[in-house]
Amino acid sequence: GQQVMQIPQYQHVQEGEDFTTYCNSSTTLSNIQWYKQRPGGHPVFLIQLVKSGEVKKQKRLTFQFGEAKKNSSLHITATQTTDVGTYFCAGPYEGGGSNYKLTFGKGTLLTVNP
Amino acid sequence: DSGVTQTPKHLITATGQRVTLRCSPRSGDLSVYWYQQSLDQGLQFLIQYYNGEERAKGNILERFSAQQFPDLHSELNLSSLELGDSALYFCASSYLAGESYNSPLHFGNGTRLTVT
Repeated sequence: GQQVMQIPQYQHVQEGEDFTTYCNSSTTLSNIQWYKQRPGGHPVFLIQLVKSGEVKKQKRLTFQFGEAKKNSSLHITATQTTDVGTYFCAGPYEGGGSNYKLTFGKGTLLTVNP
Repeated sequence: DSGVTQTPKHLITATGQRVTLRCSPRSGDLSVYWYQQSLDQGLQFLIQYYNGEERAKGNILERFSAQQFPDLHSELNLSSLELGDSALYFCASSYLAGESYNSPLHFGNGTRLTVT
């Protein structure tokens, strides 16, 4: 079945350092979504990428979708303590029909030392 | 506030028991998803409903069942509970129209289930 792998599992940075998390799928994705879950909270949708090679920015966050639509990355520039949380990528099962199952990676837990 | 309501927030029960988790989706959303989150397994997709009908199934155990009612709220029933079922259960909703796959999920605050 489809698998979505995320690395690293954990990342600890000093405030002001950059951070990147990578997401790889075993199958081609029709789109990829990114979510952030603060400690003790619920996942919150950040962004969706649809096109091959797409790059989107949200302030200090840059999201990329690979050319083959099997990998993606999230890069945070100059991290802040408010960036703390677990970042998940998620992709739907591209199986045709109406079989839509959003499969989440295991996430990258980011901690920031002030 | 995501607009998705889950009750109860916490549930403590004994092995062998049965519980029901409830979810009210965001206004206008037709699709409801259930996810199980545990420390070592991340977010595991259980099941999805769209406008009252089962749309997709994930790693849902036979002891678990769900349904979506005409008013679009959903319930997840967990029976013959085991210690390993202790986890955070999230409900999410999305506006899923027809064959569209591109519908972001809006998560509720979750129900923390502890089986003792």
